[in-house]
Amino acid sequence: GQNIDQPTEMTATEGAIVQINCTYQTSGFNGLFWYQQHAGEAPTFLSYNVLDGLEEKGRFSSFLSRSKGYSYLLLKELQMKDSASYLCAVSKGNTPLVFGKGTRLSVIA
Amino acid sequence: KAGVTQTPRYLIKTRGQQVTLSCSPISGHRSVSWYQQTPGQGLQFLFEYFSETQRNKGNFPGRFSGRQFSNSRSEMNVSTLELGDSALYLCASSIRTGVSPLHFGNGTRLTVT
Repeated sequence: GQNIDQPTEMTATEGAIVQINCTYQTSGFNGLFWYQQHAGEAPTFLSYNVLDGLEEKGRFSSFLSRSKGYSYLLLKELQMKDSASYLCAVSKGNTPLVFGKGTRLSVIA
Repeated sequence: KAGVTQTPRYLIKTRGQQVTLSCSPISGHRSVSWYQQTPGQGLQFLFEYFSETQRNKGNFPGRFSGRQFSNSRSEMNVSTLELGDSALYLCASSIRTGVSPLHFGNGTRLTVT
């Protein structure tokens, strides 16, 4: 089976940096996706990590350590519109993604 | 390019009824997946279709079924509805299962009373 853990909720201040962690235990790991989901909306794709290391995309970066079963999403210069749920999802190749339960991020002034 | 379209957006049904949800994927995407989203369980995989064939199935009872048509459009059906089936049902399409991003529709919010 697969076990994916992320914190349930986080709060951070506008303009700050926040790191959302995701740990997983699975066999046949291929890569890890991050999605953003605003309340009442569809999840939207943020990043996909296959290799170890940090990938940066503007204010958002995602890190993967395959040996440790660990990933994080780093959000810089937080804005109010970043308040959303952040979902990590494990890929095992040609099988459906398995999602964590999501981390609800609240950005406060 | 048009995104994934799901209809209807909202549905209210009573226990024991059945319901059919529809999904039109992004043009060129042949893989269509369905997920159930609830506050307590998060996103749970229902099934995946590729070229009209069910390729993967999640741990849901047989009351949940689906199909895919030759134009890649997909439907899912839930029979004998239970209160616990109240959820957001999300459809997602992708080019290739598991290694290309899922593109989600806005979902169908099903309420069973």
